[in-house]
Amino acid sequence: QKEVEQDPGPLSVPEGAIVSLNCTYSNSAFQYFMWYRQYSRKGPELLMYTYSSGNKEDGRFTAQVDKSSKYISLFIRDSQPSDSATYLCAMSAFGDNNNDMRFGAGTRLTVKP
Amino acid sequence: NAGVTQTPKFQVLKTGQSMTLQCAQDMNHNSMYWYRQDPGMGLRLIYYSASEGTTDKGEVPNGYNVSRLNKREFSLRLESAAPSQTSVYFCASSEAVQAYGYTFGSGTRLTVV
Repeated sequence: QKEVEQDPGPLSVPEGAIVSLNCTYSNSAFQYFMWYRQYSRKGPELLMYTYSSGNKEDGRFTAQVDKSSKYISLFIRDSQPSDSATYLCAMSAFGDNNNDMRFGAGTRLTVKP
Repeated sequence: NAGVTQTPKFQVLKTGQSMTLQCAQDMNHNSMYWYRQDPGMGLRLIYYSASEGTTDKGEVPNGYNVSRLNKREFSLRLESAAPSQTSVYFCASSEAVQAYGYTFGSGTRLTVV
C-alpha cells in the first residue's frame, strides 16, 4: 500500500463547476500538507500548503485537512479552463532534517469551456 | 527569474550508455533534490542534498549517482542506463529540507532503448 493515495482521474468538468480533489494517507506523522499544480510538460508548482487539521482559503482554492480520517482535499470554485492541469498532493512530517516528503500520483483535471 | 534550470530537456540513450543530467538554481536555496516521475507512481525521490557538501539517498537511488558541485548546481548521473530508467526527471530546490515550497525545474524526458 502506498503511503499517499490519490485518484488519478481523469476528471472532466464544465467551466464554473466546483471541483473536489482528494488524497488519503497512511502515515499519522504527516503534519504538513501541500498541493502542487502541474501543467502539461512542465514542473510542479506549489499552489497551497497547510499545517495540521483545518481549512485554508486562497482565492478560488480551499485546502482542507482531516487528520483523524487521514484525508485531505482541494476545492476549486468557479473552475476555469486555465485550471486544467494535474494536481499533486504532498505531505511531510518534516522530522529532523530527514526528507520524508511524499507525493501523490496526481489527478488530471480538464475544465471544459 | 530563471529559478531552476535543467539540461537537457530531452534525451534518448541506448542501454548501457551513461549520461549526466544538469541542474542549477539561482534562488540561493540550500537544499536540492532529484525526482523521477512515472505514470501512476507520482514523484519519487532519487537523491537529495540538504546543504552544500552533503548528499543522501532517497526512495529509489539504485543506478544513480549525484554530485553537489556547489550551492547552485546538483547533477544526476546514470552510469549504465537501463530501460527501467525511462522517465521524466525533475530537479527541485528549497530553502531547507523542512520547507513547504519546492521549486521545480521543467524536467528532462529520458528514454532508454
